[in-house]
Parts: sequence; structure tokens; C-alpha cells
Amino acid sequence: GAVVSQHPSWVICKSGTSVKIECRSLDFQATTMFWYRQFPKQSLMLMATSNEGSKATYEQGVEKDKFLINHASLTLSTLTVTSAHPEDSSFYICSARDRGTSGGGTDTQYFGPGTRLTVL
Amino acid sequence: AQKITQTQPGMFVQEKEAVTLDCTYDTSDQSYGLFWYKQPSSGEMIFLIYQGSYDEQNATEGRYSLNFQKARKSANLVISASQLGDSAMYFCAMRERLLSQGNLIFGKGTKLSVKP
Repeated sequence: GAVVSQHPSWVICKSGTSVKIECRSLDFQATTMFWYRQFPKQSLMLMATSNEGSKATYEQGVEKDKFLINHASLTLSTLTVTSAHPEDSSFYICSARDRGTSGGGTDTQYFGPGTRLTVL
Repeated sequence: AQKITQTQPGMFVQEKEAVTLDCTYDTSDQSYGLFWYKQPSSGEMIFLIYQGSYDEQNATEGRYSLNFQKARKSANLVISASQLGDSAMYFCAMRERLLSQGNLIFGKGTKLSVKP
């Protein structure tokens, strides 16, 4: 299957600092990428949808000024957690949508390995 | 109302036996897609299997098969010949085609434990 990488895999930062997480589709072009947040023993919660070359679409309750998303190319989306606080500590997962070849393909979302953020 | 319902928070299965993980969904769309993902303790989400709403045959991928019953709006995952490495969280998800962005809606997951 398609490969999506995410960097870093874990990060510890001080309260008030900003953290950038990268999500890359390695072997396909992804016009759409998604950012999820997952708390322990819970399901994935969609934060925002990232479209190449346009502004991200944020889910209700997600602060767009706090979670900055940039989808600069067809293979890269970044999530920046600005002025991080301990309550932002979580597991952040990105996914990239592979629409498959023209006329076919499963139109599947492939997920990155996730980034565990701990804010002290 | 929940779009994706997984009623089994946890399941146990003996190694080498088959297990069925339940998933029901709710949508008014005629065109939609159903997915199953596996999430081991490492956290990564591993795509297992996909079923399109117009697919007439149940999807199969190796030891995974999807028991798709459209009228009942269920999409149960069947894992045959369970292995110890199958122990993980399993999430059922749906993409409704009317959502132009196409994001997935996840169920709450089922934790599968395979006993030796």
C-alpha cells in the first residue's frame, strides 16, 4: 500500500513554544490530507482537512489560529501547534487521500505513523 | 446519532480461530465507502480492507474479509486464523460521497486480544 511518513514521531516541548509536524505522501500525490487527534483509548477525531494550494477546513471547535495547517505541495502538509500548552498533549495522526489511478483505484486514505506530543 | 457504531469495546479470540468484529453504519447517501483499519500499540493506522457501497461482492484481503450487508447497514470484519500479531485496536470507518472533502468518520473501535 501507499506510504505516508510523519515527522517527528515524538516531541517534548515546553509550554508556550510552537511545534511543527510534517506529513508526507511518499509514493503518490495527495491533493487532500487530513489531520486527526487521538486521546488515549479513544477514537480518532478529525481536526482539519488540508487541501493543496488552499486554506484548510477546520472542524467545529478546533482553533485555526492555534493549529496552523499548510499544504504547500502535493506531497507535504504541515501542522504547527502554536503556543503549545499541556492540554495540547496528544497523539496527532495525518492521513493522505490516494484517489487511485484515473478510472479506478480504491480512493483510500493512508495514515502516517503518528506524532506523540508532550507539552511540559 | 452515531454514524459508525462498533458495539464491542473488547473481544478475545483463541489463536488460529476466526473472529468477527461488528460494525453498523448510518447514512442516507447511496454512494459511500467503508473501511477497516488496525491500530497496534505503536499507534500507526494500518489500512486493512475497503468496501464500496456499489460493490456486489464482499471484499477480501488475505485473512480479512468484510461481511457487507447493505440492507442491514452492517460491515463486519472477519479475521480468519487469528494470529498473536492481530492483537490491536480495530476501527471501522465510512466516507460519505456527498462530503466533497471525503474525510473518514470513525467508530470508537474494538480492542482485539488474541490468546495463545
